[in-house]
Amino acid sequence: DGGITQSPKYLFRKEGQNVTLSCEQNLNHDAMYWYRQDPGQGLRLIYYSQIVNDFQKGDIAEGYSVSREKKESFPLTVTSAQKNPTAFYLCASSRGQGLFSSGANVLTFGAGSRLTVL
Amino acid sequence: SQQGEEDPQALSIQEGENATMNCSYKTSINNLQWYRQNSGRGLVHLILIRSNEREKHSGRLRVTLDTSKKSSSLLITASRAADTASYFCATLNAGGTSYGKLTFGQGTILTVHP
Repeated sequence: DGGITQSPKYLFRKEGQNVTLSCEQNLNHDAMYWYRQDPGQGLRLIYYSQIVNDFQKGDIAEGYSVSREKKESFPLTVTSAQKNPTAFYLCASSRGQGLFSSGANVLTFGAGSRLTVL
Repeated sequence: SQQGEEDPQALSIQEGENATMNCSYKTSINNLQWYRQNSGRGLVHLILIRSNEREKHSGRLRVTLDTSKKSSSLLITASRAADTASYFCATLNAGGTSYGKLTFGQGTILTVHP
């Protein structure tokens, strides 16, 4: 079955440590996204990538970094510079062929990774 | 405030009743989407309505869009306990600083009692 796999599901980090969240998709989607969700909140966009080897900052990119070396993979690193990293992180992908083409921006989400800073 | 804002924040109903959730937004949009999230899980896409459409149906879901009022509503008919989840609207923005971005609201928590 096609889908998005995020790992790990739960992660604990000590202050000052960098951690990397994995996101892999086998949907052959061009675009991939990372969102952050805090309790009782909506989703906020951290980074997105429309094509391999290219990515753009979202609304809350400070303290995070990404790479897009392969179409299938879009890992997110939460650095020690992120002041309040405890949150639920969601990875998503979309066809992304043409900004406004039919269905291009319908997102398929992974199951999420919950990061807790101790 | 966020582009998409849902109302109410929480809704509690009995099985068999209809549930209506509303979403308001500020800038012009290309389309508006509704997603569902079960507790602690990822979001699942439910339905998309384009800016030139006024109403769309999918099974027990009915979505309306009023671009003059910059608002949308999601109606779930004959609700079931399994419909218990959070529901988010998301707008694909066609103007302003959020051009081309999909922006999510804060969600409505729906509880359906058996």
